[in-house]
Amino acid sequence: SQTIHQWPATLVQPVGSPLSLECTVEGTSNPNLYWYRQAAGRGLQLLFYSVGIGQISSEVPQNLSASRPQDRQFILSSKKLLLSDSGFYLCAWSVRVDQPQHFGDGTRLSIL
Amino acid sequence: DAKTTQPNSMESNEEEPVHLPCNHSTISGTDYIHWYRQLPSQGPEYVIHGLTSNVNNRMASLAIAEDRKSSTLILHRATLRDAAVYYCIRGGHGQNFVFGPGTRLSVLP
Repeated sequence: SQTIHQWPATLVQPVGSPLSLECTVEGTSNPNLYWYRQAAGRGLQLLFYSVGIGQISSEVPQNLSASRPQDRQFILSSKKLLLSDSGFYLCAWSVRVDQPQHFGDGTRLSIL
Repeated sequence: DAKTTQPNSMESNEEEPVHLPCNHSTISGTDYIHWYRQLPSQGPEYVIHGLTSNVNNRMASLAIAEDRKSSTLILHRATLRDAAVYYCIRGGHGQNFVFGPGTRLSVLP
């Protein structure tokens, strides 16, 4: 069966510090991968998605970036965090873009 | 643009059926209708999806209107663990999901 792992579960970072969040999927090949952000009490906002290694599409311009160095690995990064980057970050995968997405447990990021 | 419209909140009594409505009047012929739910401090969980016919699984049933402009998620017997935000999403080929604010379901004991 397929599983998705995200870490860390919680993270507290100072403003201006770098960020690296990692997501890996097991049990499937060439999945579509997604990064979402959810601000407190709000809906999910799609940040990036990838249909293959090295293929990244950005939905929202910001100071975040994403990379997919391996088929089942998706990384969310920032060189300098802003206060507005606080939120709940979720990684998801799907077989195809119009098929159900399966989410990880998320990373709660607090910026101080 | 979430492309779907849902009530902000609903209440149900425990062990009673719950019907969660969703309008998607601009849906295209190839768009699937997906439902997810999100419990507090967790990632969304897939519930059910369908295209034209009504669908059933162990979690819920999905009733899709004949013109496909609306659908209803049916929880046959609500439990306290069903209290969550429920998202209705239309997803078509080549289109990413757009999660709107969803419906916050409260289940009263």
